[in-house]
Amino acid sequence: SSELTQGPAVSVGLGQTVRITCQGDSLRNSYASWYQQKPGQAPLLVIYGKNNRPSGIPDRFSGSSSGNTASLTITGAQAEDEADYYCNSRDRRANQVVFGGGTKLTVL
Amino acid sequence: QVQLVESGGGVVQSGRSLRLSCAASGFTFSSYGMHWVRQAPGKGLEWVAAVSYDGSNKYYGDSVKGRFTISRDNSKNTVYLHMNRLRAEDTAVYYCAKDVEAVTIPPYYYYAMDVWGPGTTVTVSS
Repeated sequence: SSELTQGPAVSVGLGQTVRITCQGDSLRNSYASWYQQKPGQAPLLVIYGKNNRPSGIPDRFSGSSSGNTASLTITGAQAEDEADYYCNSRDRRANQVVFGGGTKLTVL
Repeated sequence: QVQLVESGGGVVQSGRSLRLSCAASGFTFSSYGMHWVRQAPGKGLEWVAAVSYDGSNKYYGDSVKGRFTISRDNSKNTVYLHMNRLRAEDTAVYYCAKDVEAVTIPPYYYYAMDVWGPGTTVTVSS
């Protein structure tokens, strides 16, 4: 099955902008979804489709895509955004869902 | 409110079987594809299986194909994961999750999951 690659960790200053990326062949024909997970909690969907935010997700979260790379951008990061972030998409060939390995975001 | 609650986890010996359940409430369960996703201790998320809104289409990750079976009972608003021939590497928190959109065309499920349960822990001992 296909794989999605994420960097292991990224840091951002409070109020600054950070981009988390996700790479993989499946992203050439499938948008990424993005999840936030804090310790001891279930994942929370923050972005799906072209750039859709579920109800209750702040508009500082946005998504974009180009070629085989998807990005999650947090504009004006807050302390509560510190978490692990995972991307996922559909591997159309295998008809499976695939997750990236996750990126740990630290807000300084 | 929209809610998913898993149950059935526990400690089980390698090679044995276990059945997880996920009870849904607060939405039209029979309209949405459902997923099981797991997370081994200290590791990332791994998709396990998906089932279409009506139960007729099922999909599996490579690591569980042939050992696990996903099913659903729309009359009980419940999705199940039957796990056979369990291995130590199946040890994880198992989450059920709901598709963000109702999909009635192939492949009959979406891959964005907007509601997750709190998870149930499965420990496979050798």
